Amino acid sequence: SQTIHQWPATLVQPVGSPLSLECTVEGTSNPNLYWYRQAAGRGLQLLFYSVGIGQISSEVPQNLSASRPQDRQFILSSKKLLLSDSSFYLCAWSVRQGDSPLHFGNGTRLTVT
Amino acid sequence: GIQVEQSPPDLILQEGANSTLRCNFSDSVNNLQWFHQNPWGQLINLFYIPSGTKQNGRLSATTVATERYSLLYISSSQTTDSGVYFCAVEGSNYQLIWGAGTKLIIKP
Repeated sequence: SQTIHQWPATLVQPVGSPLSLECTVEGTSNPNLYWYRQAAGRGLQLLFYSVGIGQISSEVPQNLSASRPQDRQFILSSKKLLLSDSSFYLCAWSVRQGDSPLHFGNGTRLTVT
Repeated sequence: GIQVEQSPPDLILQEGANSTLRCNFSDSVNNLQWFHQNPWGQLINLFYIPSGTKQNGRLSATTVATERYSLLYISSSQTTDSGVYFCAVEGSNYQLIWGAGTKLIIKP
């Protein structure tokens, strides 16, 4: 069966420091991968999605970037964190783009101080 | 773009009660999904239901695509059912459009 791993679960980083959140999927090949962000008490905002290695689509221009160096690995990065980057970040995968259930990792709670 | 509205926004029930959550959408969609987010933030896909009815234990969902709504039924509620329930619909560009969620609190 397919599983998705996301780490770390919580992270506290100072303003101006870099960020790297990693997500990996097991048990499937060529998944579609997604990064979402969720502010406290709010809905989900799609940040990036990828349909293949090196293919990244950005939905919201901001201080973050994403990369997909391997088929089942998706990384969310920032060179310099802002206070406004504090949020709950979720990685997700689906079998294909469209017409396919979406499955989430457990999320990373990021606090920028 | 497609608008997704969920109702009610908040719901407080006693353990053992039944509930119905609603999701309305403003245009034709390719599919619809229901998710449960527990108090620790974990998001679980409950149903992938572009049309028709599906059941999984105490939960069931019905989507009437022609009338642009979906219902999530929870029977014999348990405290572990607490959390936020989201519906999300897929538009023509394959991206999911999310509702604002229904926050459900089940009291023991």
